[in-house]
Amino acid sequence: EVQLLESGGGLVQPGGSLRLSCAASGFTFSSSWIHWVRQAPGKGLVWVSRINRDGSSTNYADSVKGRFTISRDNAKNTLYLQMNSLRAEDTAVYYCATGITVAAYGHWGQGTLVTVSS
Amino acid sequence: QSALTQPRSVSGSPGQSVTISCTGTSSDVGGYNLVSWYQQHPGKVPELMIYDVSKRPSGVPDRFSGSKSGNTASLTISGLQAEDEADYYCCSFVGSYTYVLFGGGTKLTVL
Repeated sequence: EVQLLESGGGLVQPGGSLRLSCAASGFTFSSSWIHWVRQAPGKGLVWVSRINRDGSSTNYADSVKGRFTISRDNAKNTLYLQMNSLRAEDTAVYYCATGITVAAYGHWGQGTLVTVSS
Repeated sequence: QSALTQPRSVSGSPGQSVTISCTGTSSDVGGYNLVSWYQQHPGKVPELMIYDVSKRPSGVPDRFSGSKSGNTASLTISGLQAEDEADYYCCSFVGSYTYVLFGGGTKLTVL
């Protein structure tokens, strides 16, 4: 069974940093492209970032470019999202997700809540 | 990176059919057959209902179908059931730079 388990969320002040993790199991992690998707409270889904199988290629939404860094450790079956210079508008549940094909997320984690507030 | 355009809400009675539209541009929805649809119940994780415009993952009822015409994709739910009441999001690949866009979401109410 495919499992994705996010961790690392919490309360952080504006301008602060946080690192999210996504532990994967039940599938060949090193063969999968993995994405981060976020959802602000009461709002819709927003794509954040994606990384290819070996970590050599990444993409980011304009809203997080230059502040967030996606990475992966295939030996540990773990995905990361380093978030710097956090803003109030980054407050959201962050999901890691992987899929059948591009933009088809068949598997999602339960999400981890990031709250940016003073 | 504007979100794909979906109606804020749609409604239908049990047994009826409803269609949710997702409008983009020739650079996203119209440019690729890589549109997916997600169902999300309150407090739950999104669930993939349709991918590659019209394909259904295993386990998704055939009451759910997808299509595309030009820059607009559509999700049709036939034989509406109470449990179909949820938020629905479309999603499209938009190229190797911007990569993926979601729609703003549509709340489906089963009357």
